[in-house]
Amino acid sequence: GESVGLHLPTLSVQEGDNSIINCAYSNSASDYFIWYKQESGKGPQFIIDIRSNMDKRQGQRVTVLLNKTVKHLSLQIAATQPGDSPVYICAENLNNPPPILNAGGTSYGKLTFGQGTILTVHP
Amino acid sequence: DTAVSQTPKYLVTQMGNDKSIKCEQNLGHDTMYWYKQDSKKFLKIMFSYNNKELIINETVPNRFSPKSPDKAHLNLHINSLELGDSAVYFCASSLQETQYFGPGTRLLVL
Repeated sequence: GESVGLHLPTLSVQEGDNSIINCAYSNSASDYFIWYKQESGKGPQFIIDIRSNMDKRQGQRVTVLLNKTVKHLSLQIAATQPGDSPVYICAENLNNPPPILNAGGTSYGKLTFGQGTILTVHP
Repeated sequence: DTAVSQTPKYLVTQMGNDKSIKCEQNLGHDTMYWYKQDSKKFLKIMFSYNNKELIINETVPNRFSPKSPDKAHLNLHINSLELGDSAVYFCASSLQETQYFGPGTRLLVL
């Protein structure tokens, strides 16, 4: 199954199928992107991230794809399971304000979040 | 051993009251944030502190005042609460790019 996060906020898939969740980001100058999942009643939980100098990054059962030409980010979930059913939210780093260098590294100051896509997994 | 914790989890109060929400992180991160999430699940940045110094202050009514007594704590005080302040407020922290979120404080103003 596939969704466009801003226009179809709900994606229904069968258990075991692959899911593709899409996100259109706003700023061509954004250089860092991140996917979170949020279960009901909980805070957003990090899934995977990608920098703008990459177009693909793989994690465990998840892959993030970045298409800078059309400002599009997608999250692919392999073999979707019932436990994959929270809301998925994408975010971009606009670099405004610019990153701050501290003792632990660079702290990126501002993420802009999309609305989120609800993933429903049917047995 | 929660990484980012917030108190209280639920807050129900009358319009016009003043309330505070507390946030603590034990991750050793230098940057902390407050976000507001509305009923449509949009997360919007309100404030960000880096090593106790304010670095982001979005267009937020001055009824909202953050305070960072040390880099592990970022509290949010809200004066004269209004109905429109009802939302879920999330605290987050980061060392580098990835922000880690707390469980949220569900605020309901009656």
